[in-house]
Amino acid sequence: QVQLQESGPGLVKPSETLSLTCTVSGGSVNTGSYYWSWIRQPPGEGLEWIGFIYYSGSTKYNPSLKSRVTISVDTTKNQFSLNLTSVTAADTAMYYCAKGSMTTDAFDIWGQGTMVTVSS
Amino acid sequence: EIVLTQSPGTLSLSPGERATLSCRASQNINSIYLAWYQQKAGQAPRLLIYGASSRATGIPDRFSGSGSGTDFTLTISRLEPEDCAVYYCQQYGSSPRVTFGPGTKVDIK
Repeated sequence: QVQLQESGPGLVKPSETLSLTCTVSGGSVNTGSYYWSWIRQPPGEGLEWIGFIYYSGSTKYNPSLKSRVTISVDTTKNQFSLNLTSVTAADTAMYYCAKGSMTTDAFDIWGQGTMVTVSS
Repeated sequence: EIVLTQSPGTLSLSPGERATLSCRASQNINSIYLAWYQQKAGQAPRLLIYGASSRATGIPDRFSGSGSGTDFTLTISRLEPEDCAVYYCQQYGSSPRVTFGPGTKVDIK
């Protein structure tokens, strides 16, 4: 069974870059029928899709964040990562990594989430 | 851009009652691209339904999904105390590639 675990700093200063990593266990990021996503949730609010990456390296991003987001995959470490530049307080949220399946076109496995606060 | 609207915002029901949650899309969507998630307090979301009506692995049969076009429904046939959660619908496909509805909170009396 695939499991996901987010890691990264819990506090980021305004204008800096938020960087998170999701480690995949029990499966390979190289699996062709999966895609690897980042989704966030501000405190007390709903879910916002950030973007995802296919095993091939092809990416899709939320247009509202596209200018600031990069998602990459490291097949040697079986990880994928999120970089979000020029952060503000509005980027304070719980960040989840999730596995999407081309079989279901849904996110069937989620990490437990990591809280990131943007503050000086 | 496809916008998903969910109603009601909050549903308060007793154990054993039937819960009907609505998800409406601003444009027609292919039902194979409509999913429902359950998020309990302090937890990550869990996939309940994909393809509008297919239950994910391990999901009890009291959860069912239906609908097509712009109108979709999640039904919980007999509420149990552990069903207290926020439920989100999600569409995949149209730009932005993924969107979530604002959620319906289900309270158990």
